[in-house]
Amino acid sequence: QLQESGPGLVKPSETLSLTCSVSSGSRRSSDYDWAWIRQTPGRGLEWIGNIYKSGSTYYNESLKSRINISVDTSRNQVSLNLTSVTAADTALYYCARRDKRAYQYDWYFDLWGRGTLVTVSS
Amino acid sequence: IVMTQSPATLSASPGDKVTLSCRAGQGAARSVAWYQQKPGQAPRLLMSEASTRAAGVSSRFSGGGSGTEFTLTISSLQSEDFAVYYCQQYNSWPPLTFGGGTKVEIK
Repeated sequence: QLQESGPGLVKPSETLSLTCSVSSGSRRSSDYDWAWIRQTPGRGLEWIGNIYKSGSTYYNESLKSRINISVDTSRNQVSLNLTSVTAADTALYYCARRDKRAYQYDWYFDLWGRGTLVTVSS
Repeated sequence: IVMTQSPATLSASPGDKVTLSCRAGQGAARSVAWYQQKPGQAPRLLMSEASTRAAGVSSRFSGGGSGTEFTLTISSLQSEDFAVYYCQQYNSWPPLTFGGGTKVEIK
């Protein structure tokens, strides 16, 4: 229902662009709020940022200057752009859907994609 | 809020009752979720609000705690429960934060 896709291999200093395709019957990307989360053996699960269906975004302070999350409702996709990547950005990247039952400022995730592995290397 | 899980690995046998711990570095009220992750799979939501089971989650999973101490208990381990479990706080963000995980392995 959520399928992340991306380049797999990115060179240092370049921009990483990932897409999460939402497919689940009549459910649309515009009906939900979304997040990107990454996972590495060393740092575990790391929250990257959120986007509300209103378009408001919140980013991890450690990545804030380099990231942009957006939703393309016409394509039913959620996107992540991460600029000036380094080896530290090598990770398995997940998109995740915020649980609709959650109260306004509560964020937990009832649906995750399978993740896409991104390696930063020259 | 830093989330610390213990133990890192828990060895148990099918049928055992096990309790996983998650400690928040500062008060998180009851704003903690738990996830299960199996190899090669995405995390699966088990619990929110510390003790509210997600849809389809077996009643052998129960959550508890508030403030800084949280637990996830599996009353009788089944073969499909051997996995890694993560806690996540959403009381004070950004950032949302996850614990380092507890791996439940077969003894």
